[in-house]
Amino acid sequence: QKEVEQNSGPLSVPEGAIASLNCTYSDRGSQSFFWYRQYSGKSPELIMSIYSNGDKEDGRFTAQLNKASQYVSLLIRDSQPSDSATYLCAVLPSGGYQKVTFGTGTKLQVIP
Amino acid sequence: EPEVTQTPSHQVTQMGQEVILRCVPISNHLYFYWYRQILGQKVEFLVSFYNNEISEKSEIFDDQFSVERPDGSNFTLKIRSTKLEDSAMYFCASSEITGVPQETQYFGPGTRLLVL
Repeated sequence: QKEVEQNSGPLSVPEGAIASLNCTYSDRGSQSFFWYRQYSGKSPELIMSIYSNGDKEDGRFTAQLNKASQYVSLLIRDSQPSDSATYLCAVLPSGGYQKVTFGTGTKLQVIP
Repeated sequence: EPEVTQTPSHQVTQMGQEVILRCVPISNHLYFYWYRQILGQKVEFLVSFYNNEISEKSEIFDDQFSVERPDGSNFTLKIRSTKLEDSAMYFCASSEITGVPQETQYFGPGTRLLVL
């Protein structure tokens, strides 16, 4: 069973702080990694994708990938109350070009 | 900006009834997917579809489920005889291409199915 693990939270951070969200995955051959944001009752919305080891920055968001440790993270700088949502880590495992596996998500609360 | 659309937004049905959930993928996309999310649980892959046939499916996608692309724009998920445990949010997604690591799937707003 190919698993994606996340701390369910909630993770509470004050407005303006850095939020750090973490994810581990079991399939060492996984190639693509995604962070989705999901507001309650809504569909997942893609924030970032990352495929190579290292950091990838997009505005206030930075995704970090370490394939050796099978670890991917998302940093949100200058957190805003509107960032309060559940953040889903998703992984495209080896051998499955479409079958994305999602983690259970980490609920983030940004306190004004 | 192009987006995936789904109808209906909510569906209530009796156990044992058939339901059809509809999706209109982004127009130039070739790969289509269905996911479900039971309340409070993670998003789960059901099936992917390309060139008028299923390309991958999960263990959840049993004989009670079927998918179809009845015309050039719609993509449907049919549940033949609904069970209580089918109650969930069903998301349709589409992607332009696949088989490359960088491909992204775009999600529709979902259909909330409630089986009574």
